[in-house]
Amino acid sequence: GESVGLHLPTLSVQEGDNSIINCAYSNSASDYFIWYKQESGKGPQFIIDIRSNMDKRQGQRVTVLLNKTVKHLSLQIAATQPGDSAVYFCAENQRGFKTIFGAGTRLFVKA
Amino acid sequence: DTEVTQTPKHLVMGMTNKKSLKCEQHMGHRAMYWYKQKAKKPPELMFVYSYEKLSINESVPSRFSPECPNSSLLNLHLHALQPEDSALYLCASSQETSGFTDTQYFGPGTRLTVL
Repeated sequence: GESVGLHLPTLSVQEGDNSIINCAYSNSASDYFIWYKQESGKGPQFIIDIRSNMDKRQGQRVTVLLNKTVKHLSLQIAATQPGDSAVYFCAENQRGFKTIFGAGTRLFVKA
Repeated sequence: DTEVTQTPKHLVMGMTNKKSLKCEQHMGHRAMYWYKQKAKKPPELMFVYSYEKLSINESVPSRFSPECPNSSLLNLHLHALQPEDSALYLCASSQETSGFTDTQYFGPGTRLTVL
């Protein structure tokens, strides 16, 4: 079946370094992709999104890249801070309202 | 205001109890969602309401009964749950845009424990 997956379950980075979290998706018909951050005890928090007619989108300290050729999505966090420590989920939207989440990557930021 | 609120934050119930989870948003969003999240797993979609009508039910057991009294409120009625239903229940909302999906905003969730 269709799935959204992540290459790495955990990522540990030094404070101040850049972080890259990767995600693969399998449904070429998906047209909307989202990155969420989930801190312990909280609900997922929207970070950034991208539609399939784009290949790059930038936010504050975050950039999402979409490579439709290889069905790959990445989240880049610049100058990673301790407050960035969380689980990051990529998600793709299929069939209208249904959003499917990937397995998640836990980001550890070392001070 | 981009806040989705959920009550209660924590709920412990027995398998014979009836309880309800509540969700509220005042962003004028017309789509609302219930998700279930087990520990160390991603959220799994349960139900979607669009314009106060149920549009998606992901084959959820009937012991979970959703209700959308109005465009700002979403309830999840629980009855005769099983211990494996223990999880974090997340509510989300989005501005329903015809033919295209908008960002979903999530509440903090209700941590449910079924004894």
